[in-house]
Amino acid sequence: GNSVTQMEGPVTLSEEAFLTINCTYTATGYPSLFWYVQYPGEGLQLLLKATKADDKGSNKGFEATYRKETTSFHLEKGSVQVSDSAVYFCALQVDSSYKLIFGSGTRLLVRP
Amino acid sequence: DAGVTQSPTHLIKTRGQHVTLRCSPISGHKSVSWYQQVLGQGPQFIFQYYEKEERGRGNFPDRFSARQFPNYSSELNVNALLLGDSALYLCASSPVGELLYNEQFFGPGTRLTVL
Repeated sequence: GNSVTQMEGPVTLSEEAFLTINCTYTATGYPSLFWYVQYPGEGLQLLLKATKADDKGSNKGFEATYRKETTSFHLEKGSVQVSDSAVYFCALQVDSSYKLIFGSGTRLLVRP
Repeated sequence: DAGVTQSPTHLIKTRGQHVTLRCSPISGHKSVSWYQQVLGQGPQFIFQYYEKEERGRGNFPDRFSARQFPNYSSELNVNALLLGDSALYLCASSPVGELLYNEQFFGPGTRLTVL
């Protein structure tokens, strides 16, 4: 079946450190891939997306590249800020107008 | 423009009771999906509705039901509540069109606590 596996958290970093959150997936067909962010007490916000192999999604300094050969979509940011502290979810969508399948989330804590 | 709105924000029920959660999609969006997010886990798909018809259903028991109204708002109903139904219930709307994918826009959620 279709699934998403994320690295377990929490990930604790100092401000301005480099961030990588690993995400791998299993899917039939050609999924679209997403990263969502959830700030404390809030719903989910789309951070970035990629719809086909080798696409790079980017937003607010975050990047992720759709790697079909390794079935991965790792999230990276060159210099994290305290305001980036949140839970990050990797997700896939196999059908064009259908459900999202989420990973279990990775909590990021950035210390000043 | 207003985003996806959900009501109520918080809700406390006891085992065996029934609950109704409400969602209003972004104006112009015709598809609504419901997700359950148990504390510490990722959201799990419950239902998707489009043009008032169920288009998909996740692996949830028949105690869970939903409907979509002519104005595209939606209700999620859960009967015979169990302690394990305690979760954040998220509603998402999407425009649904000729796109390769359909971005889903999430509401803030309803926090349900079952005692």
